[in-house]
Amino acid sequence: DAKTTQPPSMDCAEGRAANLPCNHSTISGNEYVYWYRQIHSQGPQYIIHGLKNNETNEMASLIITEDRKSSTLILPHATLRDTAVYYCIVRVGDTPLVFGKGTRLSVIA
Amino acid sequence: DTGVSQDPRHKITKRGQNVTFRCDPISEHNRLYWYRQTLGQGPEFLTYFQNEAQLEKSRLLSDRFSAERPKGSFSTLEIQRTEQGDSAMYLCATVGQESYEQYFGPGTRLTVT
Repeated sequence: DAKTTQPPSMDCAEGRAANLPCNHSTISGNEYVYWYRQIHSQGPQYIIHGLKNNETNEMASLIITEDRKSSTLILPHATLRDTAVYYCIVRVGDTPLVFGKGTRLSVIA
Repeated sequence: DTGVSQDPRHKITKRGQNVTFRCDPISEHNRLYWYRQTLGQGPEFLTYFQNEAQLEKSRLLSDRFSAERPKGSFSTLEIQRTEQGDSAMYLCATVGQESYEQYFGPGTRLTVT
């Protein structure tokens, strides 16, 4: 079973920041937080991952709380193409990804 | 485009028939995963290869399912005597040499009628 909890759906206005929360209160010290997204009828796409420090790449920023029990994925300027299901996953090393149901993000024009 | 390709993209078959899917990974990636995704659910792990060795299988992988990865390159997933419950998207993912991010192919959507 997935070790994360995410809201089932969220809306975001185009051009605004999308902040997607994830709860992982039982995370272990050696587990990383990964984010993937899946656009309709496509395979999941890797976005970003982190252990305890905040991370940023060309797609998004990942903010992990100091106690590591929750995190937030930030898409700084959401576009219509960011409409997708976003999955938050905790994982040790190269192990199978355990997906939950994710958050369905709808970006609205 | 992740560089991982899957064939076919869509397959419709009748119950009881055998089907085979193929995954072509990024050439330098030696670890390969298969997942299955049913409607409205996240992907679920099926099996995992390190080069040609199949190292782990999920309990979801019944006796009707078999996967191979000859020579550690492309991989095939075969389902024998298909059932309607096998209708799903079958996804392949590969893992880079120096990182653990998984790169997914576009998937094969199977419909069993």
